[in-house]
Amino acid sequence: NAGVTQTPKFQVLKTGQSMTLQCAQDMNHNSMYWYRQDPGMGLRLIYYSASEGTTDKGEVPNGYNVSRLNKREFSLRLESAAPSQTSVYFCASSGRGSGNTIYFGEGSWLTVV
Amino acid sequence: DQQVKQNSPSLSVQEGRISILNCDYTNSMFDYFLWYKKYPAEGPTFLISISSIKDKNEDGRFTVFLNKSAKHLSLHIVPSQPGDSAVYFCAASRPNDMRFGAGTRLTVKP
Repeated sequence: NAGVTQTPKFQVLKTGQSMTLQCAQDMNHNSMYWYRQDPGMGLRLIYYSASEGTTDKGEVPNGYNVSRLNKREFSLRLESAAPSQTSVYFCASSGRGSGNTIYFGEGSWLTVV
Repeated sequence: DQQVKQNSPSLSVQEGRISILNCDYTNSMFDYFLWYKKYPAEGPTFLISISSIKDKNEDGRFTVFLNKSAKHLSLHIVPSQPGDSAVYFCAASRPNDMRFGAGTRLTVKP
């Protein structure tokens, strides 16, 4: 039971570099999300995709882009990384009729130096 | 603006006693409320939830209470166990919008 799988688990980037965080879910969920977690800030929504082919901004979308490649996969791209994007990133998914419960991946630790 | 607030960053209780974690929200449009538990280096895991049409939901040692007029919910854990030591996030949701609090770190001492 893989659930939500995200890669890489750890990454160090230099300021200005780009990278993509990959996420896949095997629960046939329609909705997928990207959150970041920072100390004292809880989990903040970056982008979400309510269904295949659609994406929408969340609370903190600046500096990020997303792609909903298919129903299973939702990637997050940092085009030009900044130290302020040092954070732990969580991918998540939810399905209809799940009572709005969302299921998280294990997290990706990103450091921008 | 922080629409979901957990005002206690940490809580320490003795094993066997009750743990009470609190959460306040500001937006009356939220219709579903959840608690997530997070261990270090892992993703948050769903613990318990409550619909806005209810005021209490119980699952084993965990009970969530909702007071809509006060826009307040709480999680009760009884009896608390050392394995309950984790960060607990409160969440409030409406379709395609789920907001989380900053979390409360619970430590249960043997």
